[in-house]
Amino acid sequence: GNSVTQMEGPVTLSEEAFLTINCTYTATGYPSLFWYVQYPGEGLQLLLKATKADDKGSNKGFEATYRKETTSFHLEKGSVQVSDSAVYFCALSEQGAQKLVFGQGTRLTINP
Amino acid sequence: EAGVAQSPRYKIIEKRQSVAFWCNPISGHATLYWYQQILGQGPKLLIQFQNNGVVDDSQLPKDRFSAERLKGVDSTLKIQPAKLEDSAVYLCASSWTGSNEKLFFGSGTQLSVL
Repeated sequence: GNSVTQMEGPVTLSEEAFLTINCTYTATGYPSLFWYVQYPGEGLQLLLKATKADDKGSNKGFEATYRKETTSFHLEKGSVQVSDSAVYFCALSEQGAQKLVFGQGTRLTINP
Repeated sequence: EAGVAQSPRYKIIEKRQSVAFWCNPISGHATLYWYQQILGQGPKLLIQFQNNGVVDDSQLPKDRFSAERLKGVDSTLKIQPAKLEDSAVYLCASSWTGSNEKLFFGSGTQLSVL
């Protein structure tokens, strides 16, 4: 079945550091790929998405590129801020479907 | 626009007791989901509704879990009887109909079964 694997957390960085959170997936067909973020005390919210190979999703300085050849969708940001501290979830949905399959989440802490 | 509303925010019960969670989706969203998020794991889909019909309940433990969305708007999720392993955050989400539409999540109900 479909699955998503994220890099183990937690991840702790200093402000203005470069961020990469790895995500790989297993799926049949051509899934859509997502990054969701959960800030402390809040619900999950969509950060960015990509719906086909080589698409790049971007939002709030975060980027991720849909790489079909490596079945990856790594999240990157060039300079993180304290306000980026949250739990990040990689997810996929099957082509033509809406339900999401999530990775286990990566907790990110940014220190000033 | 108002977000997805869930209640209660927290619930503590003893094993073998019953519990119910309520969700009010964003107005006009035909699709509603219940997810279970166990500590340290990603959310797992329990059930998906399209209006008042069930689209997917393949991962719902039907011997103890039930859910309904009678009028195609609000939904309730019930656990009867609860087990220790049901301790988790129960998330409700809603979306417009159609593939690749983003899901809007509520803040969840945190359940502790003692």
